[in-house]
Amino acid sequence: KNEVEQSPQNLTAQEGEFITINCSYSVGISALHWLQQHPGGGIVSLFMLSSGKKKHGRLIATINIQEKHSSLHITASHPRDSAVYICAVRSEDFGNEKLTFGTGTRLTIIP
Amino acid sequence: DAGVIQSPRHEVTEMGQEVTLRCKPISGHNSLFWYRQTMMRGLELLIYFNNNVPIDDSGMPEDRFSAKMPNASFSTLKIQPSEPRDSAVYFCASNYRVLDTEAFFGQGTRLTVV
Repeated sequence: KNEVEQSPQNLTAQEGEFITINCSYSVGISALHWLQQHPGGGIVSLFMLSSGKKKHGRLIATINIQEKHSSLHITASHPRDSAVYICAVRSEDFGNEKLTFGTGTRLTIIP
Repeated sequence: DAGVIQSPRHEVTEMGQEVTLRCKPISGHNSLFWYRQTMMRGLELLIYFNNNVPIDDSGMPEDRFSAKMPNASFSTLKIQPSEPRDSAVYFCASNYRVLDTEAFFGQGTRLTVV
């Protein structure tokens, strides 16, 4: 079993729909990252969070440390949101910067 | 700042040849990471440096891989000799550890070993 599991693996939705991508992890962490990878291949860090909730534009990320679960939400989805979304966790060991990655969720938004 | 800069963007080489990938982190960042992405294994950390010192190289697959960071503005990842199974996209990322910032990724180097 992977330490970081994402669901769904693939998601296709109509423009305007509310999107939720889930990430569950099985290890103690100090932080969780959400990354976006566009078809061109570049990776952009969307959020880094260790508790609660963060919002940036139409994107919202939440984390529940007790349940070892995080969600990424996209409101009013748009075709330009089509990308692979990757969850990554950082070890709780002090000073350990190593990230462990989920396998990603491929999101396709249809106009 | 131009962000994390990697070169080359694409590299095609023959099996057995030496390959060197280069990375320039964002100025002022003191942690640098090398990742590899393949279809089979996704993203994996190969090695990371803090203040130019290698901290964790447990992800380096074998002795054919080596990484150096001679100064705060430059790092290399070398594969010698290269093999077809090394074909992947290699990403470099950097951050400022003291402020616990998120990581900034380069555009990646797509390596094909034939």
